[in-house]
Amino acid sequence: GESVGLHLPTLSVQEGDNSIINCAYSNSASDYFIWYKQESGKGPQFIIDIRSNMDKRQGQRVTVLLNKTVKHLSLQIAATQPGDSAVYFCAENIPGNQFYFGTGTSLTVIP
Amino acid sequence: ETGVTQSPTHLIKTRGQQVTLRCSSQSGHNTVSWYQQALGQGPQFIFQYYREEENGRGNFPPRFSGLQFPNYSSELNVNALELDDSALYLCASSFGGMETQYFGPGTRLLVL
Repeated sequence: GESVGLHLPTLSVQEGDNSIINCAYSNSASDYFIWYKQESGKGPQFIIDIRSNMDKRQGQRVTVLLNKTVKHLSLQIAATQPGDSAVYFCAENIPGNQFYFGTGTSLTVIP
Repeated sequence: ETGVTQSPTHLIKTRGQQVTLRCSSQSGHNTVSWYQQALGQGPQFIFQYYREEENGRGNFPPRFSGLQFPNYSSELNVNALELDDSALYLCASSFGGMETQYFGPGTRLLVL
């Protein structure tokens, strides 16, 4: 079956440093990927997305990289701030309108 | 612009009972997806509704069913509740099945 997994379940970074969160996906037919941030007690919040015809996309302080050869997705957060502390999920969309989420990475920013 | 809303926020049921959860989609969105999120896990896709029709389904049994109404709001119904159904149920809306989904705050269901 499909699986979306994260290499590191937890990540601690110093405030001001850059953060990198990784994600592996297994379905080569996946054509759309999204990163979400989820704070305690809240629903997931959209951060950035990327389609399979791209390998990089930048937003405000965030960059998503897609490597289809090795089925790998990463989220880079520049100048990490305490407000970035949350659980981060990658999600993939496979044909048939099914979204699959990874287990999540908990990011802790140390002031 | 109104965001995604869900009701109720919390719910306690007993095994064997039935439950209905509700979701109002974000203004302008025609697609609603439902997810189950167990504690410490990522959301698991239940199904998606587009223009009142089921438009994709995850690996959930038939006792999980849904509806979408002409105003694009949606219901998730779960029959014969089991203890393992205890979770946060999330609704997300989008404009189209392949587009960015925006999530509501969720309904936390506890089955005793």
